[in-house]
Amino acid sequence: QQPVQSPQAVILREGEDAVINCSSSKALYSVHWYRQKHGEAPVFLMILLKGGEQKGHDKISASFNEKKQQSSLYLTASQLSYSGTYFCGTETSGSRLTFGEGTQLTVNP
Amino acid sequence: DVKVTQSSRYLVKRTGEKVFLECVQDMDHENMFWYRQDPGLGLRLIYFSYDVKMKEKGDIPEGYSVSREKKERFSLILESASTNQTSMYLCASSFTTTYPGNQPQHFGDGTRLSIL
Repeated sequence: QQPVQSPQAVILREGEDAVINCSSSKALYSVHWYRQKHGEAPVFLMILLKGGEQKGHDKISASFNEKKQQSSLYLTASQLSYSGTYFCGTETSGSRLTFGEGTQLTVNP
Repeated sequence: DVKVTQSSRYLVKRTGEKVFLECVQDMDHENMFWYRQDPGLGLRLIYFSYDVKMKEKGDIPEGYSVSREKKERFSLILESASTNQTSMYLCASSFTTTYPGNQPQHFGDGTRLSIL
């Protein structure tokens, strides 16, 4: 079963913050986050392993609440380059991921 | 850098044709995956492979088959193409580790397939 992402779409002005949520009904080993720009391949952002860790890369960070099977992606002081569709991929067994429907993020000047 | 190469960016085929989509990775990854991507539905797993000659069904395998004769190559086959298989197809690969979940998937640029 696909994880549920929210919101489906968000429009920001440059410099604003955003949060994208990913929720699963199954117990998770890990959550992966990817960003896909229009016409390009999805690009890996980060992996959150069970244990409730939080990770960050530049101004993009994420958390993973293992008990709630939820992960959130935080985009701080957004830049134009952050525009794209963000996907979470949840792992319940092996190396296989189940992806959410995606969140379309648009950052305007 | 990992390179996952899909043989075609765009492909147009006719209903009933047998269609082959090819994917090659250059990082000696054990795992390879085929997804289809449709608007509003995200990435849905068709088939995956953990090793040469091994395959597992994903969430939407109907109408598709796969072949993995060599470690670096994973082929998706549409046995008899139908219009509802018009979509973007993405290939991905990753390493296997003993600890689950800590290896990212690397994607190709995709093949946009149109079935007329």
